[in-house]
Amino acid sequence: SAVISQKPSRDICQRGTSLTIQCQVDSQVTMMFWYRQQPGQSLTLIATANQGSEATYESGFVIDKFPISRPNLTFSTLTVSNMSPEDSSIYLCSLAQGDYNEQFFGPGTRLTVL
Amino acid sequence: GQNIDQPTEMTATEGAIVQINCTYQTSGFNGLFWYQQHAGEAPTFLSYNVLDGLEEKGRFSSFLSRSKGYSYLLLKELQMKDSASYLCAVSDSNYQLIWGAGTKLIIKP
Repeated sequence: SAVISQKPSRDICQRGTSLTIQCQVDSQVTMMFWYRQQPGQSLTLIATANQGSEATYESGFVIDKFPISRPNLTFSTLTVSNMSPEDSSIYLCSLAQGDYNEQFFGPGTRLTVL
Repeated sequence: GQNIDQPTEMTATEGAIVQINCTYQTSGFNGLFWYQQHAGEAPTFLSYNVLDGLEEKGRFSSFLSRSKGYSYLLLKELQMKDSASYLCAVSDSNYQLIWGAGTKLIIKP
């Protein structure tokens, strides 16, 4: 399976600022996904990022707040803009691969907004 | 709407067997996944069921009944390292994953 890395692994940020999270994969993949997981809760899909096209956002998430880039088949970024304490969460990138198109996840970015 | 239900928390004893249930109501069905997530780590894939019946993989087995909208994950010979959250996820008619809230499994010696 693909190896997925994320940077930063964690960060503490002030409200009103923005943070860009990077996701790097060691092989080419068509679709990448960005999730949020708040403490004690399950995964919520933010958006699907395809190379060469605009990301597709889920209900409740907008491009102005969570702009995504997908410049090539091995890399994507998610920016959390104008942060508030409610954005404190773990952010995960993933891809679908394998016999069952199962999802593989990066190690996550733990974000705390003060 | 789409919904997946799992127990919030379960406790079991080392060496025993535990069954974690998952019921779902989704628009379409293209398979059900189970993932394991240790505290502070990302989820890892455990199993996939798309047809009715039992799939066995070592100490872990997963069962599916599509007519009942029901699945379970069976863990045998429990080890302390099995303490984790177990997430049930269903692929709907658009192949989008709908995630359950997860079951936190606590293993006691």
